[in-house]
Amino acid sequence: DIQMTQSPSSVSASVGDRVTITCRAGQGISSWLAWYQQKPGKAPKLLIYAASTLQSGVPSRFSGSGSGADFTLTIDGLQPEDFATYYCQQADRVPYTFGQGTKLEIK
Amino acid sequence: QVTLKESGPALVKPTQTLTLTCTFSGFSLSTSGMRVSWIRQPPGKALEWLARIDWDDDKFYSTSLESRLTISKDTSKNQVVLTMTNMNPVDTATYYCARILTSGSFVGDAFDIWGQGTMVTVSS
Repeated sequence: DIQMTQSPSSVSASVGDRVTITCRAGQGISSWLAWYQQKPGKAPKLLIYAASTLQSGVPSRFSGSGSGADFTLTIDGLQPEDFATYYCQQADRVPYTFGQGTKLEIK
Repeated sequence: QVTLKESGPALVKPTQTLTLTCTFSGFSLSTSGMRVSWIRQPPGKALEWLARIDWDDDKFYSTSLESRLTISKDTSKNQVVLTMTNMNPVDTATYYCARILTSGSFVGDAFDIWGQGTMVTVSS
């Protein structure tokens, strides 16, 4: 199984800030990485697939980059509704694996 | 509009078999390229992928849980069923079904539409 490691596990930020979350795969997965946002009591929501493609309806303040084993999710200009937990997922092959999550909290 | 909804028991006893049903609408699992997965999340913990079934009835399972899982589909009812044997308290989690994003070309197996989840507690 491909291990996915996210960092940091939690981050505090203020509205308007720029935040970057990183995800490292245990082996190369080309560009086949997805990012999800999850709010308490809700199902995850797909934000980005293929490392950098924004899912329909997702605000442009979200962006993704990377390939191979190292990836980043950037939120540029945090909004109150962005405070949530974010997960990366290797979408290259089964068995799919997720990172441990990054909780984005209000400073 | 694509929707998925999970159903099943909220409480199961240790050693029992769990059966969960995912009922979906807005797409057909008989359409080439369509795939549905089950994913779970213990309280306060990360997401864990469990199983996938494809339009052509190919099936794939979590490495660690493969011996306990069976996934199946009923195309006529638009349902995917997951069974998990020998349930244990550590299996307490919210169980989600989700559709895998389809595109004209391979874009990676991301989960674009999720059900609301169903919470399953394993306790005697």
